Amino acid sequence: QKEVEQNSGPLSVPEGAIASLNCTYSDRGSQSFFWYRQYSGKSPELIMSIYSNGDKEDGRFTAQLNKASQYVSLLIRDSQPSDSATYLCAPRMDSSYKLIFGSGTRLLVRP
Amino acid sequence: DAGVIQSPRHEVTEMGQEVTLRCKPISGHDYLFWYRQTMMRGLELLIYFNNNVPIDDSGMPEDRFSAKMPNASFSTLKIQPSEPRDSAVYFCASSFGVGEKLFFGSGTQLSVL
Repeated sequence: QKEVEQNSGPLSVPEGAIASLNCTYSDRGSQSFFWYRQYSGKSPELIMSIYSNGDKEDGRFTAQLNKASQYVSLLIRDSQPSDSATYLCAPRMDSSYKLIFGSGTRLLVRP
Repeated sequence: DAGVIQSPRHEVTEMGQEVTLRCKPISGHDYLFWYRQTMMRGLELLIYFNNNVPIDDSGMPEDRFSAKMPNASFSTLKIQPSEPRDSAVYFCASSFGVGEKLFFGSGTQLSVL
């Protein structure tokens, strides 16, 4: 079993729709969770972090965490073509500061 | 600040040659990470440093890979000898303390022929 699992996609949604990106992780010691966005040919950049069970909202982005189910998700409301990118889920064990990245979900937002 | 600076941006070399990748972290950051990204394996952590000291090198694939951080503003990742399977994008990233945000460099696209 991979440490971090993400559907590779592509996930295709129309402009204005809600995009839902999911991630499961195997290490129950993970306490911090991050979502990075990576445009083609570019480096990853942080867009959201979440530490507690529940939802965290930041603009059009909402991160959801369920530690009991070892599940974290990212919702993008009012999706724009500029949101088309690969989204990487990255849990971190606070004991080691190691960020383990999932393989990413490619999102395509159709105009 | 110019961000994390990596060089070279592209490197093409022949199998068996030595390759050295360079990284200048953001000033004041005390953690430095080296990642490798391929289509097959995604983004893999190779090694990370705290205050110039290697903390975890368990991701380094084999003895052909080595990394150093002689001071707070410079790190190198060396591959000797290089092999075609080392072809990938190598990213350097830095962060401040246990700060959540990793700042990535632009990466080095390595092609070993």
